[in-house]
Amino acid sequence: KQEVTQIPAALSVPEGENLVLNCSFTDSAIYNLQWFRQDPGKGLTSLLLIQSSQREQTSGRLNASLDKSSGRSTLYIAASQPGDSATYLCAARGPTGRRALTFGSGTRLQVQP
Amino acid sequence: DARVTQTPRHKVTEMGQEVTMRCQPILGHNTVFWYRQTMMQGLELLAYFRNRAPLDDSGMPKDRFSAEMPDATLATLKIQPSEPRDSAVYFCASQQGQDGELFFGEGSRLTVL
Repeated sequence: KQEVTQIPAALSVPEGENLVLNCSFTDSAIYNLQWFRQDPGKGLTSLLLIQSSQREQTSGRLNASLDKSSGRSTLYIAASQPGDSATYLCAARGPTGRRALTFGSGTRLQVQP
Repeated sequence: DARVTQTPRHKVTEMGQEVTMRCQPILGHNTVFWYRQTMMQGLELLAYFRNRAPLDDSGMPKDRFSAEMPDATLATLKIQPSEPRDSAVYFCASQQGQDGELFFGEGSRLTVL
């Protein structure tokens, strides 16, 4: 059974810092991995989708990498802003046959102005 | 703009009552998921459908929960009878195909007294 872990559970940084959020998964036979953002009381907003054949994806100040062999993904946020404050979740699709996403418990990020 | 629509957004009910939650997936998406989110368990998969056929409902308590897709534009999740432990936020999400990017609705917050 796939398990997804996110460390740290919470993170507080001053505005302007570059930061890295970590995600690890136990079964490397995944189809893809998706990063989401969740604001309090809201649904999940998709940030980046990385296919199993890709090493990274970029969108604006966000860059996600994927290393299947080590079972890890990272989300890099450049020049953080207070508006980046939210919970960030990663989710792995697979292993083979199971096409639903398995979610980590999230990293709660607070960016101090 | 395209979005997953869920109703109701909030529901307070008494133990033993029937609860029905509805979801309209993004037009053209043929795969629909139901997830439940609690502080203790995080996001848990309840059930999912492709082309209206149920593919996996192993995460759902079968004795009281049921999920259906009467047509391609409507998914329903029913709890009968409801119990206090069912209190959670229920999310619907949709995607195109087996491994497409997953999009979430805003969720239905259920409180069972």
